[in-house]
Amino acid sequence: KNQVEQSPQSLIILEGKNCTLQCNYTVSPFSNLRWYKQDTGRGPVSLTIMTFSENTKSNGRYTATLDADTKQSSLHITASQLSDSASYICVVYYGGSQGNLIFGKGTKLSVKP
Amino acid sequence: NAGVTQTPKFQVLKTGQSMTLQCAQDMNHNSMYWYRQDPGMGLRLIYYSASEGTTDKGEVPNGYNVSRLNKREFSLRLESAAPSQTSVYFCASSQRLGRWGSNQPQHFGDGTRLSIL
Repeated sequence: KNQVEQSPQSLIILEGKNCTLQCNYTVSPFSNLRWYKQDTGRGPVSLTIMTFSENTKSNGRYTATLDADTKQSSLHITASQLSDSASYICVVYYGGSQGNLIFGKGTKLSVKP
Repeated sequence: NAGVTQTPKFQVLKTGQSMTLQCAQDMNHNSMYWYRQDPGMGLRLIYYSASEGTTDKGEVPNGYNVSRLNKREFSLRLESAAPSQTSVYFCASSQRLGRWGSNQPQHFGDGTRLSIL
């Protein structure tokens, strides 16, 4: 069964600290993996898209890694800010040009002052 | 540049009423999508339109209909609303032809929060 699982479900950190969010997937054939940020009351916004051949991709203080062998991805947030408080959603695209997207349930991050 | 615009932002309906959710994008994207987001679940695809003039069912199409009015606009209609359709509805668009636009990101609107009593 094609699945995307994220952990933890929720996380609280202090402003200025780093954190890492996890995403495990079981899909085939894999095409790419996406991380989105969703602020409360807003739609998701794309952070990164990584293909099979990419191990790391950064977007400012956000760094995503991908291990296609173990089917794991992580999103690392450096020097967190209050504005990082949001849900982070892992999405996997599989099946080629006529494929499908599977959305994870998200990790809710709260950054406290 | 507004991106993806959804109207209305909030709506309360009674069971059995009908309504249409509107979506428009100004990025000249070919593909458009409707999702619903429920607590504790990932976004689920209701319908999508790979290009103007075409529509296809997604994962949870029952109880919904769609219209791709032109390249910019993609509407979602609830013919007879049911409490199970209480949800947040998101419209999205992407640049490339095809269902998911391969490596292109999807751009989302800010959602319509729909409650059905």
